Amino acid sequence: AQSVSQHNHHVILSEAASLELGCNYSYGGTVNLFWYVQYPGQHLQLLLKYFSGDPLVKGIKGFEAEFIKSKFSFNLRKPSVQWSDTAEYFCAVRGNNRLAFGKGNQVVVIP
Amino acid sequence: DTGVSQDPRHKITKRGQNVTFRCDPISEHNRLYWYRQTLGQGPEFLTYFQNEAQLEKSRLLSDRFSAERPKGSFSTLEIQRTEQGDSAMYLCASSLGLAGSPYEQYFGPGTRLTVT
Repeated sequence: AQSVSQHNHHVILSEAASLELGCNYSYGGTVNLFWYVQYPGQHLQLLLKYFSGDPLVKGIKGFEAEFIKSKFSFNLRKPSVQWSDTAEYFCAVRGNNRLAFGKGNQVVVIP
Repeated sequence: DTGVSQDPRHKITKRGQNVTFRCDPISEHNRLYWYRQTLGQGPEFLTYFQNEAQLEKSRLLSDRFSAERPKGSFSTLEIQRTEQGDSAMYLCASSLGLAGSPYEQYFGPGTRLTVT
């Protein structure tokens, strides 16, 4: 069964700082990887995805993630965060027709 | 709004009562999923349907839980004899399911269940 590890569950940073959230997965098959975001009071939304091809994927709102197969990682980055990026971020891996999620990163951006 | 919808958004029930939740997926999506999310955790897979067929169930889905998707459109999740440990957010997601093609799942707003 697939699994996902996310570290640094609570992140506090100031506006304009850079953000990087780590994600490591475990799955023996072909991986599809995702980052979802949940803004306060809203439902889970897809931020970006990796299916195949270029390991550097770009998502909405200036986020990007890099798939490194040798490290089983799919880290999320944003060079300069805004207050509106305050949210919970979940990494997920798809395998066997289901998504396995990490525990999430609660990110708070201070204006 | 053409996204995934769930009803009700909140449900408070007493221990031992039965509850039923509904999910309406995006109309052209043939796959429908149920997940459960507790505080401080990511969503955990419960079950999924392709059209009206329930193809997989997690070990998390005890005998008190049953899900249906009778016409391959909306789905219901019923919990019988609720327990306090059932308190959680129940999420529904839908996706296309084309053989050989990857896909993404779209999530609804969830139903928050509180068992007192």
